[in-house]
Amino acid sequence: GQQVMQIPQYQHVQEGEDFTTYCNSSTTLSNIQWYKQRPGGHPVFLIQLVKSGEVKKQKRLTFQFGEAKKNSSLHITATQTTDVGTYFCAGSSGGYQKVTFGTGTKLQVIP
Amino acid sequence: DAGVIQSPRHEVTEMGQEVTLRCKPISGHNSLFWYRQTMMRGLELLIYFNNNVPIDDSGMPEDRFSAKMPNASFSTLKIQPSEPRDSAVYFCASSWFRRGMSVFTEAFFGQGTRLTVV
Repeated sequence: GQQVMQIPQYQHVQEGEDFTTYCNSSTTLSNIQWYKQRPGGHPVFLIQLVKSGEVKKQKRLTFQFGEAKKNSSLHITATQTTDVGTYFCAGSSGGYQKVTFGTGTKLQVIP
Repeated sequence: DAGVIQSPRHEVTEMGQEVTLRCKPISGHNSLFWYRQTMMRGLELLIYFNNNVPIDDSGMPEDRFSAKMPNASFSTLKIQPSEPRDSAVYFCASSWFRRGMSVFTEAFFGQGTRLTVV
């Protein structure tokens, strides 16, 4: 079945440093979504990428979808303490195939 | 819309008891998902429905788990009998599946039900 892995599993950064998490799928995806889950909270949608090679930005966050549509990345520039949480990618394939969440990257920001 | 509503928020039950989790999706959404989250296994998709019909239940752990969606505004996840290893946070989420594009729109998650089986 479809598997979606994320690296790293954990990341501690000093406030102001950059952060990147990578998402890799075992199969070609039709689209990929990114979510953020704060400690004790529920996943909250950040963005969706559909096109091969697509790059989208949200303020300090940059999202990329690989050319082969099997990998994606989220880059945060100049992290802040409000960025703390676990970041998940979620990929799905065509038809009615299920959305598979990645293993998540837990980000800690040291003030 | 108040978003996806789950109840109860917390449930503590004894092993062997039946547990029913409830979910009200966002009005107008045609897809509903049940997820389970644990430290060990992360966020797992248990089952999802499209237009109230179960499409993929391959994530349901075993026969003790069952899910229903009798109408577009309500779904239940039942565990009978419950076991300590079922302790987890259970999330319900809803979204819109665009058949022409074969794409799910963003999923909105409920607050989750924290289940503890002792």
